Amino acid sequence: AQTVTQSQPEMSVQEAETVTLSCTYDTSESNYYLFWYKQPPSRQMILVIRQEAYKQQNATENRFSVNFQKAAKSFSLKISDSQLGDTAMYFCAFNHGGATNKLIFGTGTLLAVQP
Amino acid sequence: DSGVTQTPKHLITATGQRVTLRCSPRSGDLSVYWYQQSLDQGLQFLIQYYNGEERAKGNILERFSAQQFPDLHSELNLSSLELGDSALYFCASSVQPGVYYEQYFGPGTRLTVT
Repeated sequence: AQTVTQSQPEMSVQEAETVTLSCTYDTSESNYYLFWYKQPPSRQMILVIRQEAYKQQNATENRFSVNFQKAAKSFSLKISDSQLGDTAMYFCAFNHGGATNKLIFGTGTLLAVQP
Repeated sequence: DSGVTQTPKHLITATGQRVTLRCSPRSGDLSVYWYQQSLDQGLQFLIQYYNGEERAKGNILERFSAQQFPDLHSELNLSSLELGDSALYFCASSVQPGVYYEQYFGPGTRLTVT
């Protein structure tokens, strides 16, 4: 069974600094997708970035980038120039597609950006 | 705003009762997913529908059921409610069920069972 592990329950960063959130996963699949979702206090789930496993190039979206290490089954999120609006719970998620196409989520990391 | 709507936003009910949560997917999306977010179970997949047909089941209790109607909206029915069913229930939708298609999440329905 696929599992997603986020070992940092809480993190804090100063505004304008850079922070990295960790995620590891376990799967026997060779092709799959990985995601980072943001859940601000409003509780809305917002897709931040996604990575296709067969693509070696790390995905980037503005201030957000990932470090995807397929052999190590590691998928970390780097947030550059942190902003107060980045304060949220961040979930790492896995999807290998197939018939279910379900997202499997980690337990989340609560990120607080301090002014 | 993802384009996915869920009603009601909040629901407070007593143990043993039955409730219905409603979801309208984004225009053009054929696939609907239900997820439950609770303190002890985290975020977990419940069930998926595609164009009116059940496509996949996750950790959905037998007391829970769902359906997707011809107009593509979906309802999640929770019966014989227990305190542990208190959670945030999300609906998500995608154009097709494949992994290539992003799932867009609704704002959720917060269920409190007292």
